[in-house]
Parts: sequence; C-alpha cells; structure tokens
Amino acid sequence: EIVLTQSPATLSLSPGERATLSCRASQSVSNYLAWYQHKPGQAPRLLIYDASKRATDIPARFSGSGSGTDFTLTISSLEPEDFAVYYCQQRTNWPDTFGQGTKLEIK
Amino acid sequence: QVQLQQSGPGLVKPSQTLSLTCAISGDSVSSNSAAWNWIRQSPSRGLEWLGRTYYRSKWYHDYAESVQSRIIINPDTSKNQFSLQLNSVTPEDTAVYYCARVTVTTYYFVDWGQGTLVTVSS
Repeated sequence: EIVLTQSPATLSLSPGERATLSCRASQSVSNYLAWYQHKPGQAPRLLIYDASKRATDIPARFSGSGSGTDFTLTISSLEPEDFAVYYCQQRTNWPDTFGQGTKLEIK
Repeated sequence: QVQLQQSGPGLVKPSQTLSLTCAISGDSVSSNSAAWNWIRQSPSRGLEWLGRTYYRSKWYHDYAESVQSRIIINPDTSKNQFSLQLNSVTPEDTAVYYCARVTVTTYYFVDWGQGTLVTVSS
C-alpha cells in the first residue's frame, strides 16, 4: 500500500498570503494524485486531480504540481473560506490511499 | 447533478453490525461508468477507503484488507442505492462514514454523501 505523507501538519497563515502544501508518496504514483478540501460538517471537495487539473468550479487560485513522488498544492492568495483541512489521495496502486491531512488555519 | 443521500443509525453497540445506506439521484447504481464507494474518517485513522461496488456487465466488489473479513457492500437496483454492512464493530470503528462516487471520467471521488457519524458504544 502506498503511504502519502503530508507536510506541514498545520500551516498558520493570514488571508491574502500564499499557501504551499506538500504531499510525498512512498513510491511513484505517476501523476495520479488528487487534492481535497475538507471543512467541518461537510463532505470533502475535490479540488485538483491528476496532479494539476482543476476540478469543476474550483477557483484559479488553487493549483497543483508535481509527479512521481513529490506534489504541491498552492493557494495563491488565501480567502477566508480557504481555511480547512487538505488531503492528498493517490489512485495508482490499489487500494486508494489518503494522506493524513494538512490543517490550514488562520494566523 | 448527482446527489448521494445517506441514512442509518448513529449509534451501534460493540459486536453488532453497522448498517448504512446511500441513495443515488442523478445516476444509476448499475451505471457502467461509475463505482460506488464507502470511505470513513476518524481522528486516529484519517480518511480510509473501505470498499466499493460497481457494474461492468456483472457486479464487482473490492474491499480494504483492514476490514475485508467483516464488510459487505451491496447494490440495490430496485431502489437505486447501495449499502454498507460492517460486522462485529468495536469502538475503533467510530468514525464519520461517507459514500462517494467515482466515474471513469476522472477516477477520483467527485461526489460525496453528507456523512454519518457512527459511534460504537454500549
């Protein structure tokens, strides 16, 4: 099973700042990686798939990059509604696995 | 637009069976281009994929090794829904359970149910 390690565990930033979240895979997942946003009391929302493709209706401030084992989710300028937990997920090897999450909190 | 509506009890006693249902609107459980999944989230385990069912001329089921011996995911074509049964639960099965759809377009979890907090306690 592929293990995804996200860093940092918690990221404290202010609205308007740039956020950079990392996801590292224990072996190559090619570009078969997604990012989800999860807010309390809501279902996770798919933001990015295949490492860099934005899902439907996702704002352009969200972007993804990387391939192989190292991936990055960037939020170019944080809006108040962006503070949440972010998870990466791989689908290269069965079973699908998730990272442990990065909590993006308001500084 | 696809919507997934979950139902089921929020409290289950240890050693008993956890049962949840996910009703589908906007797609068919028998679709040849979708797969129907159960995922749970807990503070200790994070997000954990549990299993899926899908139809490709016949029904298929895949389950996570961690729960393989005690999980059943069944489609119900008459009601256009699918269900989760998890037997012999312990307090470690306490989690928020989600149903989710994957399509052959993206192969990721695009559509999710609202989530059900299931607590295992006597």
